[in-house]
Amino acid sequence: ILNVEQSPQSLHVQEGDSTNFTCSFPSSNFYALHWYRWETAKSPEALFVMTLNGDEKKKGRISATLNTKEGYSYLYIKGSQPEDSATYLCAPDNYGQNFVFGPGTRLSVLP
Amino acid sequence: GAVVSQHPSWVICKSGTSVKIECRSLDFQATTMFWYRQFPKQSLMLMATSNEGSKATYEQGVEKDKFLINHASLTLSTLTVTSAHPEDSSFYICSAVDRTSSYEQYFGPGTRLTVT
Repeated sequence: ILNVEQSPQSLHVQEGDSTNFTCSFPSSNFYALHWYRWETAKSPEALFVMTLNGDEKKKGRISATLNTKEGYSYLYIKGSQPEDSATYLCAPDNYGQNFVFGPGTRLSVLP
Repeated sequence: GAVVSQHPSWVICKSGTSVKIECRSLDFQATTMFWYRQFPKQSLMLMATSNEGSKATYEQGVEKDKFLINHASLTLSTLTVTSAHPEDSSFYICSAVDRTSSYEQYFGPGTRLTVT
């Protein structure tokens, strides 16, 4: 099974602050990396899927980068808002094997 | 985006009974479907990977005789929780992907199972 790590496990930021999280994963047999925004007992909301080393994706105030050679990805949130509060999951896909979620980073944005 | 449905959205059953959960890809053909379970305060845990027409691959620690998975067509996979017990109460979610055309994984809305 893929060993996926995310850090930090949780964090609290003030509204308006910018923040970032890290996802690290095995770089062998890499196929794609997914980022999701997830609230408990709901379906994960897809944010990005990245496939190429050096990929950068942006969606509103959220962006992500990917380094497949060293096996990590960063997710950035600029100007955090209370509605950004959620758990952010990364999920590496090594094609034909497993598709597993990292433990997640739980973000709380305080108004 | 593609749509994946799950049925039922919630179910309450008595201990010892079996429950079947359906996962359907409504507008695409899913070569692979995944079943996840959410434990309290934890991330989604992959239970099994199901490729159409073949036996599911179960993750370590998941009892295949208890959690029966069938992926008989490119649009339907089922998870049957056999002889359910209260500790099986959880949120089960499926996802589907068409490996021939996309990197995207599409999630169903999930099923809340409560075993009394």
